[in-house]
Amino acid sequence: AQSVTQPDIHITVSEGASLELRCNYSYGATPYLFWYVQSPGQGLQLLLKYFSGDTLVQGIKGFEAEFKRSQSSFNLRKPSVHWSDAAEYFCAHGGTGGFKTIFGAGTRLFVKA
Amino acid sequence: EAGVTQSPTHLIKTRGQQATLRCSPISGHTSVYWYQQALGLGLQFLLWYDEGEERNRGNFPPRFSGRQFPNYSSELNVNALELEDSALYLCASSPGSSGRWTGELFFGEGSRLTVL
Repeated sequence: AQSVTQPDIHITVSEGASLELRCNYSYGATPYLFWYVQSPGQGLQLLLKYFSGDTLVQGIKGFEAEFKRSQSSFNLRKPSVHWSDAAEYFCAHGGTGGFKTIFGAGTRLFVKA
Repeated sequence: EAGVTQSPTHLIKTRGQQATLRCSPISGHTSVYWYQQALGLGLQFLLWYDEGEERNRGNFPPRFSGRQFPNYSSELNVNALELEDSALYLCASSPGSSGRWTGELFFGEGSRLTVL
């Protein structure tokens, strides 16, 4: 079955430190890939998306992600984390033919001063 | 351009009652999705409506139902409420299955349902 795996349930980083959130997907063809962010009690906001082309995509709020087909990964990165980045992050993929977007379980990011 | 709007923001019900949640998609979007996000359980797919019809549903009992209106807005009904139905219910919209499907979803802010 198609799936998205986010291996880290939660991550704590210091403010100003770099961040990498991991995401692996299982899908034979090139999927459409997304990262969403959710602040507590809020809806999901799209950070960035990958459809095709350049495998390094830039998003909002200084985030970027790199698609690596050989590793079936789409990891999210940020060079310097701000306290306001504390939230839950969801990786997702679509284009599975069933018109159903598959979400990972999410990674909760804590930022310490 | 208005985003996806959901109402009510918060809803408190007691066990056995019925809850109705509403969602208006982005203008031009014909697909509406409903997700349940209970504490610690991630996003659980509930229902997908497109062009007025239910196209897919997740692994939820029949007391979770809904519909999509001609203007593509949607409502989610939860009958015979149980305590474990307490959750954030998220609605999302997309351009629909007739165009290029990418899986990109546009989310509302959610409706928080509390069952006492």
